[in-house]
Amino acid sequence: DQQVKQNSPSLSVQEGRISILNCDYTNSMFDYFLWYKKYPAEGPTFLISISSIKDKNEDGRFTVFLNKSAKHLSLHIVPSQPGDSAVYFCAANRRNNRKLIWGLGTSLAVNP
Amino acid sequence: DAGVIQSPRHEVTEMGQEVTLRCKPISGHNSLFWYRQTMMRGLELLIYFNNNVPIDDSGMPEDRFSAKMPNASFSTLKIQPSEPRDSAVYFCASSSDGTLKNEQFFGPGTRLTVL
Repeated sequence: DQQVKQNSPSLSVQEGRISILNCDYTNSMFDYFLWYKKYPAEGPTFLISISSIKDKNEDGRFTVFLNKSAKHLSLHIVPSQPGDSAVYFCAANRRNNRKLIWGLGTSLAVNP
Repeated sequence: DAGVIQSPRHEVTEMGQEVTLRCKPISGHNSLFWYRQTMMRGLELLIYFNNNVPIDDSGMPEDRFSAKMPNASFSTLKIQPSEPRDSAVYFCASSSDGTLKNEQFFGPGTRLTVL
C-alpha cells in the first residue's frame, strides 16, 4: 500500500524550461513533506520541504506547492539545468514521527 | 565537516555468508535510519534508532536481519545468512531531533550483491 505515490517514473525537459514533478499521498495525517534529489552512486540529499500549514515554499529555482484538499504536492524547477538531472523522491511524515514515507521516485533528465 | 560514513561501499558475497554493514552518523545527530533501495520497492525503511534505542523495526524483512547501535557514533546492519534477494543498495541516514525540518542526511550507501 503506497501511501506516497509518484506516478511518473521519468520526465524529460529541455534546458531552460520548467520541470514539474508530482506527488500524491493518501494519509491525511501527514503534515510535513520533503523532496530529495539523488544522483547515481550517491545517497539522497535534501532539497526542499513544506509544512502542511503552508501551500508554497520557495528556495531559489525550486518551489514546492501543496494542495491539501487534493492530497497533492508538486516540485517546480525553473529554469531547469542539465545538472538537475537526477532522481527526485517525495517523502512525508507526521509531526513528531521521525519515520519518513517515501515515493518511488521520478527520474528527471534535462537535455541541453 | 564529515557526513554520514558507510562501509564498505561495495560488497559481493555468496549465498549463506554473513554480511555486516557499518555506519557512522553525523556527530551530534541522535536518530539513525537504515534503508534498503530496490527497483521494485524504492526506499524502504528497515529500522530506526533514537538515542541508540531501536524505535521502529517493522521494516526488517525477517529474522536474518539484525541491527545494533552500541553507541551514538556507530551502527551495524547484519544479514545472516544472506540470500540473493537481499541484493540491493543499503543506505544509512541520520538526523537531529533539534531540527524542525525532519531532514535526514544520507550516507553514500553500500551496494550489496549476493551471488
